[in-house]
Amino acid sequence: DTAVSQTPKYLVTQMGNDKSIKCEQNLGHDTMYWYKQDSKKFLKIMFSYNNKELIINETVPNRFSPKSPDKAHLNLHINSLELGDSAVYFCASSQGGLAEPYNEQFFGPGTRLTVL
Amino acid sequence: EDKVVQSPLSLVVHEGDTVTLNCSYEVTNFRSLLWYKQEKKAPTFLFMLTSSGIEKKSGRLSSILDKKELFSILNITATQTGDSAIYLCAVAGTASKLTFGTGTRLQVTL
Repeated sequence: DTAVSQTPKYLVTQMGNDKSIKCEQNLGHDTMYWYKQDSKKFLKIMFSYNNKELIINETVPNRFSPKSPDKAHLNLHINSLELGDSAVYFCASSQGGLAEPYNEQFFGPGTRLTVL
Repeated sequence: EDKVVQSPLSLVVHEGDTVTLNCSYEVTNFRSLLWYKQEKKAPTFLFMLTSSGIEKKSGRLSSILDKKELFSILNITATQTGDSAIYLCAVAGTASKLTFGTGTRLQVTL
């Protein structure tokens, strides 16, 4: 059984479109994350949710909006896509929240977004 | 702002060599340092280090943390072609936020 899954795996779209990426984890974890990995393989955190509550919101354009309908899901919606949004987006999850000892993060397989 | 610097950026070695990868960091409210291996897809967890001077070992891989000098090393002995990957160092600070380094790209040749 896949622990952290993302859909779709690949997404090719035109500039200006709106798209969503979905993430689900079946590990029972409390915290979920979105990362962006650019062409130089640099992984940067975008958002983190703990029990459906936003706890980390890095400097990300407000065209990116995360949504957590429940603690097993964290979706990412992107409006008005731009060329610079092309990257691989990884979802991750971990057990524990702010007050607990840090635990490792488990990553999903990634979604490769290409904006033409 | 939290910062993680890895060196070297890339490395090519022959099978059987031993390699040492470096990671230095500056982070507010340090909680732990993690090493990940990334091949074609998602990063996979290798080690989590929270205490100075205690070596973590898994097969041919080992890692140690120095919280006074703010760095960690990842050693791989008797390298194999299957070790070829990008090795990512990340530091957990405030609010479970992971700050990643740029990674070290390791290539092991026959």
